[in-house]
Amino acid sequence: DGGITQSPKYLFRKEGQNVTLSCEQNLNHDAMYWYRQDPGQGLRLIYYSQIVNDFQKGDIAEGYSVSREKKESFPLTVTSAQKNPTAFYLCASSITIYHSGANVLTFGAGSRLTVL
Amino acid sequence: GESVGLHLPTLSVQEGDNSIINCAYSNSASDYFIWYKQESGKGPQFIIDIRSNMDKRQGQRVTVLLNKTVKHLSLQIAATQPGDSAVYFCAEGYGGATNKLIFGTGTLLAVQP
Repeated sequence: DGGITQSPKYLFRKEGQNVTLSCEQNLNHDAMYWYRQDPGQGLRLIYYSQIVNDFQKGDIAEGYSVSREKKESFPLTVTSAQKNPTAFYLCASSITIYHSGANVLTFGAGSRLTVL
Repeated sequence: GESVGLHLPTLSVQEGDNSIINCAYSNSASDYFIWYKQESGKGPQFIIDIRSNMDKRQGQRVTVLLNKTVKHLSLQIAATQPGDSAVYFCAEGYGGATNKLIFGTGTLLAVQP
């Protein structure tokens, strides 16, 4: 089955540690995204990538970093510079970054990060 | 499960009833709208979308209505089932770019058996 796999599902981190969240897709989508979801708030875009070896900051990129070395993979690193990292992180992909017809976002199941 | 349902408006309906979930959007220039369903502990799933040149679009058991005059979007679910229990949120977009989508906070639909 085609889809997006995020891991780990749950992750605990001590303050001052960097952590990396994995996102893999087998949909052959060019565009990939990372969103943050907090209770009572809409999804907020952290980073997105239109194509391999290219990525752009979203609305809340501070304290995060990404890479896009392979089309299938778009890992997110939550660095110690992120002041409030406890959240639910969602990875998504789409055929391209420009929607037309059925070019909708497909989401992974999410990763819950808790800072102890 | 995940805490995405906290602090959200809740719509409680009886199984078999019709549900109407509302969404007010912010940008009068938005030309594309999407409804997503998010079950506890899972990622959002696409339900239905509509472009601004339409007022209504129907899917399987779902209908989306768009009122551009008052910037209002609604999702109607017919014959609501227990499996419909989830958080539903809308998203608005403009200019065709997926990275420009703005997501609403969502409504928790609770279906009573």
